[in-house]
Amino acid sequence: DTGVSQNPRHKITKRGQNVTFRCDPISEHNRLYWYRQTLGQGPEFLTYFQNEAQLEKSRLLSDRFSAERPKGSFSTLEIQRTEQGDSAMYLCASSPEAGGVQTQYFGPGTRLLVL
Amino acid sequence: DAKTTQPPSMDCAEGRAANLPCNHSTISGNEYVYWYRQIHSQGPQYIIHGLKNNETNEMASLIITEDRKSSTLILPHATLRDTAVYYCIVRGMNTNAGKSTFGDGTTLTVKP
Repeated sequence: DTGVSQNPRHKITKRGQNVTFRCDPISEHNRLYWYRQTLGQGPEFLTYFQNEAQLEKSRLLSDRFSAERPKGSFSTLEIQRTEQGDSAMYLCASSPEAGGVQTQYFGPGTRLLVL
Repeated sequence: DAKTTQPPSMDCAEGRAANLPCNHSTISGNEYVYWYRQIHSQGPQYIIHGLKNNETNEMASLIITEDRKSSTLILPHATLRDTAVYYCIVRGMNTNAGKSTFGDGTTLTVKP
C-alpha cells in the first residue's frame, strides 16, 4: 500500500485552458474526497464520492469544475476555462467505508498555477 | 461539523514537549476529534483521533477534556521535523459523514 497518489504534482497553465488532475486512492478505500487549499489557509472541501457516486458538492465547485470516479477507483478533477483565482493546491483524500471512524488519508496534492 | 479554534502559532524548544490546544465547544456526542499536520508543500498527514478517552500512538498523545469541549495534542519530544501546521478538526462518525472542515490551524515552530 503506497498511499494516495496524485498526478501531476505541479501544473502551470494559461488562463482559459482546461486542466485535469488524477487521484488514485488507497486500494479498497470506498470514499474519495477533493479539497482545495490556497496559501495560508486550511484545505477547503470540494466534493466526495462513495464508490462511483458523487454524494456531496461544495458551493466552491463552480460549473467549470467537474469530478468523476467512473469505476469507483481513481478519480479525475477537471477545471475548464481556468482563471487566475483557480491557482491553488488541489488535494485528494480517501477513507474506508465504515459505520464509525472514517479517517481520511491525504495525497501529496497537485499545485496549479494559472498565468 | 463543529467549528474549532486554535492559536495561530506556537514555538517549542527541540526535545521538549509541544502541547497544542484546540477548542471545540459545540462538538456533538457523535463527533470525533482528529488531528492532522501539514509540512510545507505536502498533503495533510493524519496524526491521531479520539472520541472521549485519551489516546496515544507512536506519533502523539491526545487529551480530551471530560466535557469534550477542548483537547490537547501532545508531541512528547519535539524535533525540528515536527515544525508544521497542525489542524484540529471534528467530524461525525455516521455513514453520511463526508467533508472535513479545516480551520487555519496552529503553526508550530520547533527551535534548536
